[in-house]
Amino acid sequence: AQTVTQSQPEMSVQEAETVTLSCTYDTSESNYYLFWYKQPPSRQMILVIRQEAYKQQNATENRFSVNFQKAAKSFSLKISDSQLGDTAMYFCAFMALTGANSKLTFGKGITLSVRP
Amino acid sequence: IAGITQAPTSQILAAGRRMTLRCTQDMRHNAMYWYRQDLGLGLRLIHYSNTAGTTGKGEVPDGYSVSRANTDDFPLTLASAVPSQTSVYFCASSAGEGREQFFGPGTRLTVL
Repeated sequence: AQTVTQSQPEMSVQEAETVTLSCTYDTSESNYYLFWYKQPPSRQMILVIRQEAYKQQNATENRFSVNFQKAAKSFSLKISDSQLGDTAMYFCAFMALTGANSKLTFGKGITLSVRP
Repeated sequence: IAGITQAPTSQILAAGRRMTLRCTQDMRHNAMYWYRQDLGLGLRLIHYSNTAGTTGKGEVPDGYSVSRANTDDFPLTLASAVPSQTSVYFCASSAGEGREQFFGPGTRLTVL
């Protein structure tokens, strides 16, 4: 079974600054994906970024990038130039690629507040 | 294109009552999922379906049942609701292995 740990329940950052959200995971799988999802106050779950475990290069999507350390089983999200619209809960998630299943295992989430 | 719709948006239910949460997707995705979200626990998988006609149990299946009669619909039924089933329920779908899961807007269920 997989576990995903987000040890920080909440963080705060000043608008325009950079913030890093931590995530660690535990698995015996060798082939998997990792995700960060954003959940704003609207409750909608929005995919922020995805990382394939077999890729050494860290994924980047505009102001969002990850630091994927496979040996350490760490998958942190960096948000650059934080904006007020980034205020949300962020979930780290793991997906093992075993057979036909693509089930997500989520961390408990972290609440990020961007201060004006 | 609506993506994934869920109904109702919210519901207050007396304990012991039967309730079906509806989920419909128009993306022709093979796989569908039901999660519950509880404060401090993140999202936990209740049931899933890899394709029409098949279903499987997730992490927290007790007290819930699902069916997958066709590709588009994946209803979740609480046969006899209990207060511990008070939660926000999300339906999701994906095109297949390793593909992004798309989430519905959620249903907030309160069992009194």
